[in-house]
Amino acid sequence: QQQVKQSPQSLIVQKGGISIINCAYENTAFDYFPWYQQFPGKGPALLIAIRPDVSEKKEGRFTISFNKSAKQFSLHIMDSQPGDSATYFCAASSGSARQLTFGSGTQLTVLP
Amino acid sequence: GAGVSQTPSNKVTEKGKYVELRCDPISGHTALYWYRQSLGQGPEFLIYFQGTGAADDSGLPNDRFFAVRPEGSVSTLKIQRTERGDSAVYLCASSLGLAGGNEQFFGPGTRLTVL
Repeated sequence: QQQVKQSPQSLIVQKGGISIINCAYENTAFDYFPWYQQFPGKGPALLIAIRPDVSEKKEGRFTISFNKSAKQFSLHIMDSQPGDSATYFCAASSGSARQLTFGSGTQLTVLP
Repeated sequence: GAGVSQTPSNKVTEKGKYVELRCDPISGHTALYWYRQSLGQGPEFLIYFQGTGAADDSGLPNDRFFAVRPEGSVSTLKIQRTERGDSAVYLCASSLGLAGGNEQFFGPGTRLTVL
């Protein structure tokens, strides 16, 4: 019930391409869905987040698409750059249980 | 302002020893979280403080793990009788708590290695 499933496990894209990472959840009580970026040896850094009252949120090159009926959300990175190469985690939490439940991560490599 | 800081950055200990990991949250953040991240996996929740009290400790794996936050700011995660399976990166995060959204900001983590 608490699981968040993330795919793909790894992703390789060319510079300038679009990176797409998908997540699915089971717990309908989840009401907050952030994405984190993590570089080796560093802590996760909050990238962008969405709540289920909107279907899309865009910040710069990063967009979250949210499908409440399908219980799925995705991260789109437009014009991907080599500096975007990192591990990306989706997560979810609910108002009553504020701890984040994380996906298993996607290792993104952007080729120059 | 300063972000979440954690000390030490690395800790190597022997099986059976006691360790303490420290977290300094962002000033003004009332909520503090501990997570554990094993290699190649996402962080897993351990315990959540709202103020000085542990609001949820359901993620602590067993009674060897304990955490405190006596003054509602700095927190210490304590692990007794360490085991090799405790080796992981221990992450601390803080947020505004109930007064704000659930945006959690993470520290750099403490890498614990149990030999």
